[in-house]
Order: sequence, then C-alpha cells, then structure tokens
Amino acid sequence: GESVGLHLPTLSVQEGDNSIINCAYSNSASDYFIWYKQESGKGPQFIIDIRSNMDKRQGQRVTVLLNKTVKHLSLQIAATQPGDSAVYFCAENIRAGTGGFKTIFGAGTRLFVKA
Amino acid sequence: DSGVTQTPKHLITATGQRVTLRCSPRSGDLSVYWYQQSLDQGLQFLIQYYNGEERAKGNILERFSAQQFPDLHSELNLSSLELGDSALYFCASSVDWGGNEQFFGPGTRLTVL
Repeated sequence: GESVGLHLPTLSVQEGDNSIINCAYSNSASDYFIWYKQESGKGPQFIIDIRSNMDKRQGQRVTVLLNKTVKHLSLQIAATQPGDSAVYFCAENIRAGTGGFKTIFGAGTRLFVKA
Repeated sequence: DSGVTQTPKHLITATGQRVTLRCSPRSGDLSVYWYQQSLDQGLQFLIQYYNGEERAKGNILERFSAQQFPDLHSELNLSSLELGDSALYFCASSVDWGGNEQFFGPGTRLTVL
C-alpha cells in the first residue's frame, strides 16, 4: 500500500550543527516529494520539494536528496538554528481522482535544537 | 500568516452531532485541500477541490463531505460524530491543481464528547 515513513521520530542537534532528517517511502508512482515543517500550534509550512526525476535540490540552508533505488528521501538543514525546532514531515504527491493529487504524509520527526 | 483562514478555531460538540468547518483559501489560489491530524493517525489527506470541482479523494469517511463554492471558499461537513473524530482539521490551498506547495491554515480543533 501507499505509505511514507520516517526512520527517526526524534532528532536532537546542537545549534550551528547540520541536521539530517530521513524518510522512507514505498510508492514508486509519486511525481513529487515534499518536506513540510510544523511548529507547535500551527499548520504545516512548505519547505522544499523535489521532482521524482531529480536526485538533489537545494534551497536556502536546506537540501533535499532523493534516492529512488532504495526509496529514500532526506532533508539536510545547514547551520541549524533554534527556530528550526519543529516537527518535519516528508510527503509525496500522487496523482489521484480526476486530474488531482493526494498528498501522503509521513509520521513526522521532531527536531530539537540545543542552544 | 499563510493567508488561509479557518473558522472556528475550536469546536466542542457531542457524539451524533453535525458540524461545519469553514476555510477561505489564499487570494488567487484555486485548489483547496482538507486534512485530519490526530495523534494516532498523523496527517491524513481527506479531499481536494479545484475551482469548485472535486479532484481527488483520500480515506474520507462517508459521514464526511465537502464542497467548494463559487467564491472558492470551502466547507467540510462532519456528521454523526464519534469520539474518534476528535482531531485537528486543516485546510490548505495552492495556486494550481498540482498541489506541491500548499499553504495551510491554522486548523480547527474539534473535540467530540
């Protein structure tokens, strides 16, 4: 079935260090993979996406890597800051219905940044 | 602030009742999505509308229904409520039907007693 999961539910890093959040997926039909960040009491916030035919995409302080061979996705955050503390979700967009997409979210990883 | 608004912020009701959650997408966004977030099920996609038409459905219960109106706002109707329906309900919007970059509202917390 369709599922997107995470290897580590909790990650604790020192401020200034790099963070790596991992995700495994099982659906090979996804067009896009996406990372969202959810701070306490708020809705998820888009971070970055990557098309399924790409291996790497960089944004501001973030890099997403996609390894389709092992169905693995990762989010790297450079120079992690206290404001990066949140729950991070990987998600995949799958074509569904009548020209629509459904977004399947993983379980989430909580990132703690220690000052 | 994502630009997506949801009302009400909190809703407390009893089992068997019916409630309506409302969402206004960002200005210019044509797609609206509904999600349920609970502790045991995580974030679950319910349904997508694009410019008034249903485009994709997730594991949405038959007791739940939604619609998107000509002014693009959307409503999620939950009926015959059960204790297990207690959750955060998020609405999100995107410019087009592709839905990669979705902007989420602050959510409606539903408590069924």
